[in-house]
Amino acid sequence: DVKVTQSSRYLVKRTGEKVFLECVQDMDHENMFWYRQDPGLGLRLIYFSYDVKMKEKGDIPEGYSVSREKKERFSLILESASTNQTSMYLCASSLRDIQNVNTEAFFGQGTRLTVV
Amino acid sequence: TQLLEQSPQFLSIQEGENLTVYCNSSSVFSSLQWYRQEPGEGPVLLVTVVTGGEVKKLKRLTFQFGDARKDSSLHITAAQPGDTGLYLCAGEAAKDSNYQLIWGAGTKLIIKP
Repeated sequence: DVKVTQSSRYLVKRTGEKVFLECVQDMDHENMFWYRQDPGLGLRLIYFSYDVKMKEKGDIPEGYSVSREKKERFSLILESASTNQTSMYLCASSLRDIQNVNTEAFFGQGTRLTVV
Repeated sequence: TQLLEQSPQFLSIQEGENLTVYCNSSSVFSSLQWYRQEPGEGPVLLVTVVTGGEVKKLKRLTFQFGDARKDSSLHITAAQPGDTGLYLCAGEAAKDSNYQLIWGAGTKLIIKP
């Protein structure tokens, strides 16, 4: 059974704290993604990675960074958490076929982060 | 900027009724995926449509990709309470030297018994 696991389902952090959200996949997928999901706004891409050590900015990277030291692990870092980063964070992974076309995205269960 | 407009944003209907959810864009997509998300979980893929005009059926759910591959619809026949959830469409489009998924904002569907 394919699996994407996020380290926490719920987190409460204080403004200014450095926050780490961890994501691990066991499917040997090349592609990994971090999204945030807010009501009425859908999924917004924060960062993505198509390979180990590789990272690219998505649509809303400000205030975030990522790390991909191993193929199976993709970490999202909030350098200095702010209240407007309160959201549901979703990690996803997908295979990359030989024609560089993304395939089905497999999601973790999400981390609901509250910054107070 | 590529956009995928999904409508309606919210739909609450009685069990047994039919409904249609739409995803529209001015951009062409190489494929379009439909996901369903239940509360407290991540989205799960329902279907991918690839060819213009393609129709796929999944029990009472019918998915159609527009001829020009710019739009898609999801039709549910005789909705059941188990169909309740957030439905998301995602178009696959070229970006720089790669492909990315462009997401609709979602349709929150509630089926009342």
